[in-house]
Amino acid sequence: DAGVIQSPRHEVTEMGQEVTLRCKPISGHNSLFWYRQTMMRGLELLIYFNNNVPIDDSGMPEDRFSAKMPNASFSTLKIQPSEPRDSAVYFCASSDTGFGPSMKAFFGQGTRLTVV
Amino acid sequence: DAKTTQPTSMDCAEGRAANLPCNHSTISGNEYVYWYRQIHSQGPQYIIHGLKNNETNEMASLIITEDRKSSTLILPHATLRDTAVYYCIVRVGGTDKLIFGTGTRLQVFP
Repeated sequence: DAGVIQSPRHEVTEMGQEVTLRCKPISGHNSLFWYRQTMMRGLELLIYFNNNVPIDDSGMPEDRFSAKMPNASFSTLKIQPSEPRDSAVYFCASSDTGFGPSMKAFFGQGTRLTVV
Repeated sequence: DAKTTQPTSMDCAEGRAANLPCNHSTISGNEYVYWYRQIHSQGPQYIIHGLKNNETNEMASLIITEDRKSSTLILPHATLRDTAVYYCIVRVGGTDKLIFGTGTRLQVFP
């Protein structure tokens, strides 16, 4: 398996523009997570889905952020409009046991977002 | 969710065992302890997890105290490639939330 695939790997955009980050989870996994990592705040859980349904979005910083999972093999995280403080590395992760004890999350390589 | 406390950084000589402690004194009976690591610029990588028994796999061993208030991750023969930030996480049973703390930065030196 190719693992969790994120695109793009790097994104540079101007303040005010819309940004869409994409994630393809590992086939057969039923949970998907979006994290954001910055030096100041570390790794933050933004939202997670189980069986394509958003379960907990309490980590989404504000209404400018939205996430969707239209099917089991694809998810997007959208920022509209983007701001310089959104600059971070965004990770997507997936796991194959939604609520079981042996939940191993597999992470993608991340998208480094820079908003200028 | 239970909070975890880890030292900010540790050093270890190559070939020696690296013992990384974690304090989770407020852990509840149904909460699992997970360890992940993040090598520079990469996504976090699962290492091991446990509830109350000691666990071992091909990467590491996890020792959990009898009262479950602390645990130790052991890398038996550290290599330079084990240099990374190691995260100890307590996950509430029945949820998918893995909340990362600040972790321990392990530096393995030759």
